[in-house]
Amino acid sequence: QQPVQSPQAVILREGEDAVINCSSSKALYSVHWYRQKHGEAPVFLMILLKGGEQKGHEKISASFNEKKQQSSLYLTASQLSYSGTYFCGTEIAYGQNFVFGPGTRLSVLP
Amino acid sequence: DADVTQTPRNRITKTGKRIMLECSQTKGHDRMYWYRQDPGLGLRLIYYSFDVKDINKGEISDGYSVSRQAQAKFSLSLESAIPNQTALYFCATSDRQGAPYNEQFFGPGTRLTVL
Repeated sequence: QQPVQSPQAVILREGEDAVINCSSSKALYSVHWYRQKHGEAPVFLMILLKGGEQKGHEKISASFNEKKQQSSLYLTASQLSYSGTYFCGTEIAYGQNFVFGPGTRLSVLP
Repeated sequence: DADVTQTPRNRITKTGKRIMLECSQTKGHDRMYWYRQDPGLGLRLIYYSFDVKDINKGEISDGYSVSRQAQAKFSLSLESAIPNQTALYFCATSDRQGAPYNEQFFGPGTRLTVL
């Protein structure tokens, strides 16, 4: 079952902060975050595991609330290069039932 | 050179034609995936393969078939293309040796149009 992302779209000015949320109705093993710029392939940003381990982009932070099966991606002091569509992806076990959310379109304006 | 390559990058075909999309990788990863992307629907998994002899259906496998010819090659076929298979198709890879993490690395995509 596809995770839910919110908001669907957000517009920021350079330097502003944004939070993108991802939630699932299933107990999760991991949450992934990817960014896709227009006309390009998705690029891995972060992965958060139940239990607290995480791996990913040094300038982007995220959290994973295991009780609520929710993850949030925090984009602080946004830059023009942050523009794109952000997808979360979820697994219920390692390598199993991986599914992407519908995406959140982020536009950063000068 | 790109680690994950897809051919062709663009293809226009007619209803009823057989089409093959190819994916090759030099990352040495054992896992490969095929996704399709439609506006507003995100990326949906068509098939995935954890090694040459392990192929699994994803959420939207109807109308598609795959072949894992070698660890580095994973092909997607549309046996008889129909217009609603018009989409952007991505191949991706991941590495079992990266466990417990399973991040995926994407190819550049193939834009397929079925007339």
